[in-house]
Amino acid sequence: SQTIHQWPATLVQPVGSPLSLECTVEGTSNPNLYWYRQAAGRGLQLLFYSIGIDQISSEVPQNLSASRPQDRQFILSSKKLLLSDSGFYLCAWSVPSTGTNEKLFFGSGTQLSVL
Amino acid sequence: GDSVTQMEGPVTLSEEAFLTINCTYTATGYPSLFWYVQYPGEGLQLLLKATKADDKGSNKGFEATYRKETTSFHLEKGSVQVSDSAVYFCALRTSYDKVIFGPGTSLSVIP
Repeated sequence: SQTIHQWPATLVQPVGSPLSLECTVEGTSNPNLYWYRQAAGRGLQLLFYSIGIDQISSEVPQNLSASRPQDRQFILSSKKLLLSDSGFYLCAWSVPSTGTNEKLFFGSGTQLSVL
Repeated sequence: GDSVTQMEGPVTLSEEAFLTINCTYTATGYPSLFWYVQYPGEGLQLLLKATKADDKGSNKGFEATYRKETTSFHLEKGSVQVSDSAVYFCALRTSYDKVIFGPGTSLSVIP
């Protein structure tokens, strides 16, 4: 069966420090991968999505970046965190669009606090 | 660009009341439409979906119909229960696999 792992679960970082959040999927190949941010009391904001290695779309121009070094690995990074980067970050995956089973499977999330 | 708009609430209903949560979308092409639910302390899970115009998704007594002419996918339930208290998210998936969510609607059902 497929599983998604996301870590760390919580992170407290000072302003200006770097960030690296990692997400891996097991039990499937060539998944679509997604990074979302959920601010307190708000919806999910799509940050990046990837339909394959070296195919990453950025939805929000900001100081975050994403990389997909392996087929089932998706990394969210920042060189210098801002206070506004605080939030709950969710990784998700899905099978490529087939018209039959398109739902997203979510990781457990990372609560990031930038101080 | 692609977007999803939904009533943000919070919505408070008495048990057995009728529920409607409005959702409208903007997208190119023919997106698939979804409702996800997040129960307190839990992660998001798919509630129902519809993949083409006039399709009706249903699950756990909830229903939503894909209305292309009004670009809407309103969520309805005839009789809500306390256990339905959660945050509900409308979402769309474009033909190029981008998945975007609405802001979420918080529902509280009181006995």
